[in-house]
Formats: sequence, C-alpha cells, structure tokens
Amino acid sequence: QKEVEQNSGPLSVPEGAIASLNCTYSDRGSQSFFWYRQYSGKSPELIMFIYSNGDKEDGRFTAQLNKASQYVSLLIRDSQPSDSATYLCAVNPNSSASKIIFGSGTRLSIRP
Amino acid sequence: DAGVIQSPRHEVTEMGQEVTLRCKPISGHDYLFWYRQTMMRGLELLIYFNNNVPIDDSGMPEDRFSAKMPNASFSTLKIQPSEPRDSAVYFCASRASGRLSEKLFFGSGTQLSVL
Repeated sequence: QKEVEQNSGPLSVPEGAIASLNCTYSDRGSQSFFWYRQYSGKSPELIMFIYSNGDKEDGRFTAQLNKASQYVSLLIRDSQPSDSATYLCAVNPNSSASKIIFGSGTRLSIRP
Repeated sequence: DAGVIQSPRHEVTEMGQEVTLRCKPISGHDYLFWYRQTMMRGLELLIYFNNNVPIDDSGMPEDRFSAKMPNASFSTLKIQPSEPRDSAVYFCASRASGRLSEKLFFGSGTQLSVL
C-alpha cells in the first residue's frame, strides 16, 4: 500500500462550482498534512497545511482532516479556470522525522 | 531571496554517461530534499539532508545514485552510469527548521532525458 493515495483524475468541474479533492494516508502516526498545487511544467507550491482534526479555511480553499479515518481533503469554492492544475497531497509520516511524502496527485480541470 | 536554484534546467545524455545535478538551497534553510517526478510514479523522495548530513536515503533507487551536501549552500545528485529509466524531472527543495516551518520551497527542477 502506498503511503499517500490520491485519485489521479482528471477531475472536471464547471467554473463557479466546488471542487473536492481527496487523499488517504497509511501511517496512523502522521501529524502534518499539506496540499501543494503544481501547474504543468512548473514546480509544486504549498497552498494549505493542516495539523488538527477538523476544517481549516483560507480564502476559497478549505482543508479537512479526519485522523480516525486517515483522510485529508481539499475543497475549492467558486472554482476558476486558473485553478486547473495538479493537486498533490503530502504527509509527514512521522513527527520525529522530517521527510514529506507526496501522493501521485489529482489533475483538476475547471471548464468555463 | 532568489529561492532554490537548480542547474541545469535540462540535461540530455546518452545511456552510460555520468550525470550531475546541482542545487543551491535558500540561505538559512536547514533541510534539503531531492525528489524525482515521473508520470508513472509521481513525486518520489530520494534523499534528504539536515544540516548537511544525510538523514534518510531509503528512496535512492540503487547504487548508481549518490548525493552529497559538502556545505550549507550546495548539494549534488549524481547518477553513474545513467539509464533511460532515469529520465524524469528532478526537484530539489529546502525548508527551515521547526514544525511551523514545514513548507517546502522547490527549485525549478532539472528535466533529465537519458537516450
């Protein structure tokens, strides 16, 4: 089982709708969770991080964490064409170490 | 700050040749990571350093790969001999210490093609 799993997509969402991206992780001791966005041909950039169970909101983005279910999600409200990118879920699988493991990413396409 | 700097941006080489990728992390960052990205395998962690010391190299594919960090401002990833299956984008990333500083800053990557 991969440490971090995501549906590869592509996920197609109409402009203005809510895009929902999901991620599961295998290490129950994981403490830190991240969402990175990667445009085609570019490097990943951090858009959200979350440490505690529940929701964390930043503008149009909401990260949700459920440690009991080992599940992380990212919601993008009022989706814009500029949100079209690959979204990478990342996890620090061990709070005593510092490595960050990435999922394979979900390709999101916002259709006008 | 100029961010994480990688060179070269593109490298085309023939099978069996030695390849050296270079990275300059952000000044003051204590951690440096090397990742490899392919369509099939996604973004894989190869190795990471803390204060110039390799901490976890379990992701290094095989003995053909080696990485060094001789000082806080420079790291190399070497592949010798290179093979076509090594073709990928190689990213270097750095971050500062502390739990609230876990944000990774990525370089622009090196697109490696082994013919």
